[in-house]
Amino acid sequence: GAVVSQHPSRVICKSGTSVKIECRSLDFQATTMFWYRQFPKKSLMLMATSNEGSKATYEQGVEKDKFLINHASLTLSTLTVTSAHPEDSSFYICSATVGTFLSHADTQYFGPGTRLTVL
Amino acid sequence: QQPVQSPQAVILREGEDAVINCSSSKALYSVHWYRQKHGEAPVFLMILLKGGEQKGHEKISASFNEKKQQSSLYLTASQLSYSGTYFCGTERDSGGGADGLTFGKGTHLIIQP
Repeated sequence: GAVVSQHPSRVICKSGTSVKIECRSLDFQATTMFWYRQFPKKSLMLMATSNEGSKATYEQGVEKDKFLINHASLTLSTLTVTSAHPEDSSFYICSATVGTFLSHADTQYFGPGTRLTVL
Repeated sequence: QQPVQSPQAVILREGEDAVINCSSSKALYSVHWYRQKHGEAPVFLMILLKGGEQKGHEKISASFNEKKQQSSLYLTASQLSYSGTYFCGTERDSGGGADGLTFGKGTHLIIQP
């Protein structure tokens, strides 16, 4: 159980285009999903917290107008990188938890990641 | 604030033991440990909650010292499959709901036959 999928696994796009990445919890309902970014040989950096039915909470330094997050249902969150540039090339990973608004310290199950390359 | 992991890297022979440390300057609610292999997503190992607990299964265990805001991951009789980068992720004691994790820079573990 507790499987999280991401689509696509890899995407190459031209500078200036927008890219949408999907994160799905396959066998559980995820009230909270998180989006992380990982540059080569670096640690994962939290970008935003996404709660179903509400606006995402972005970490300091992350442009909310550039990284659009939509958490439309309890099993799907999407991250859209708008007007992508080469410096946005990275490994984007989502995680999902069954944690509720009042609880935390629940296991975060990570998706397989999406490798974005912007030419 | 990013937790500090040590050591940065360690090379072991199969069967040897390793300890990876994670410390934070902030009050923590929980510490999460993950292992990541090259090109793959992190794989969950365990969570430790404040209150100072110790957890483990088989040859991988961990402890969390709430007073020192430190956690240690213990790998005993290491196997080749243990190779990878180990990250600790810390969750703030903010009193609110589920929080994203702040990860350390990782500890690279190489197990040689």
